[in-house]
Amino acid sequence: GENVEQHPSTLSVQEGDSAVIKCTYSDSASNYFPWYKQELGKGPQLIIDIRSNVGEKKDQRIAVTLNKTAKHFSLHITETQPEDSAVYFCAASKGGKLIFGQGTTLQVKP
Amino acid sequence: DAGITQSPRHKVTETGTPVTLRCHQTENHRYMYWYRQDPGHGLRLIHYSYGVKDTDKGEVSDGYSVSRSKTEDFLLTLESATSSQTSVYFCASGWGNQETQYFGPGTRLLVL
Repeated sequence: GENVEQHPSTLSVQEGDSAVIKCTYSDSASNYFPWYKQELGKGPQLIIDIRSNVGEKKDQRIAVTLNKTAKHFSLHITETQPEDSAVYFCAASKGGKLIFGQGTTLQVKP
Repeated sequence: DAGITQSPRHKVTETGTPVTLRCHQTENHRYMYWYRQDPGHGLRLIHYSYGVKDTDKGEVSDGYSVSRSKTEDFLLTLESATSSQTSVYFCASGWGNQETQYFGPGTRLLVL
């Protein structure tokens, strides 16, 4: 079955710096890759997603890149702000079932 | 935000006791999911439903059962709770495969 590895597990950056979180997946048939943000005490919330027919997608300060050959995808957050501090999860989907990475705790220091 | 609620939000129970968690959505989503979240494991799919009375297993389904008698409600039952089922449980719903899943606020379950 699908396996998703996410790195790093924790990431600390200064406000205004960029943050990058990377994920690898094992099943080449996976075709949908969402990213979720989870704030303390809340459920995960989708922030951006990408499908296998697209290499890159941007939404304001957030971008995701997908390399199908290498089976990895990354989340890029530019100009980080303290409110970006949260746990971020990547996921890969085949047939509608999401397999999540282990999560990255991002801390943005003012 | 999608209208997804979970009840109860917190529960403490004893080993061997049956427990039912409820998920309710007001978006008329066809798909509904139950996940558990544990440190170091991210979120893991327990069961999901692709329509009324249509359910299937996820990656960690042992010890759990589900039922969906109405579009808006998805129940997760622990027939005989064990300490290993202490976790935070999240329900999600969405329109279908490769579509956004909207998560509820979670239920924190402690099995003593």
